[in-house]
Amino acid sequence: EAGVAQSPRYKIIEKRQSVAFWCNPISGHATLYWYQQILGQGPKLLIQFQNNGVVDDSQLPKDRFSAERLKGVDSTLKIQPAKLEDSAVYLCASSLEDRVTEAFFGQGTRLTVV
Amino acid sequence: GNSVTQMEGPVTLSEEAFLTINCTYTATGYPSLFWYVQYPGEGLQLLLKATKADDKGSNKGFEATYRKETTSFHLEKGSVQVSDSAVYFCALSDRRNTGKLIFGQGTTLQVKP
Repeated sequence: EAGVAQSPRYKIIEKRQSVAFWCNPISGHATLYWYQQILGQGPKLLIQFQNNGVVDDSQLPKDRFSAERLKGVDSTLKIQPAKLEDSAVYLCASSLEDRVTEAFFGQGTRLTVV
Repeated sequence: GNSVTQMEGPVTLSEEAFLTINCTYTATGYPSLFWYVQYPGEGLQLLLKATKADDKGSNKGFEATYRKETTSFHLEKGSVQVSDSAVYFCALSDRRNTGKLIFGQGTTLQVKP
């Protein structure tokens, strides 16, 4: 079974530029999560989708971050404009449904903002 | 709000030593509890889980028991190997709250031969 795919693996941008990350969840998984993991900290949820609807985006900085999940499958997370403090690993995860106890994580995209 | 606190690392052990990584949580209701592991260069992987009080999760020689009375979920292994070197994250999921995971800050384990 293929896992959660993310791209790119690494990205370096200058502050005030924009960047986008892509995630392809495990086939059949209705729930998709984006987490932000700052160095030395645990992952923090940014946004959760159930199919193509948003379930929880309370921690998403909506002035600069946006995410979409068209057709309830792939998802993109965008940052525009980026700030230095956005440097982190962005993790995508998926699960069969929102109340299932196991989420599967991708390898993440490491973003460095200089 | 819900939160997870882990012991600070790094933890450095010799091969075959006994491992304990402490984890305590604050949550309303009855959360599910997890340990995730992140090996160098890899994504987070579920190591073990427990969904109700007194449950014991186990996998690959690791164990953790859901202790409601002490709000703890400490990770243990009787004999660590060099290949166990990784970052370990304790997490909870409040099933009333969409199933999202709330993570501790992570504990780095380094096992020396």
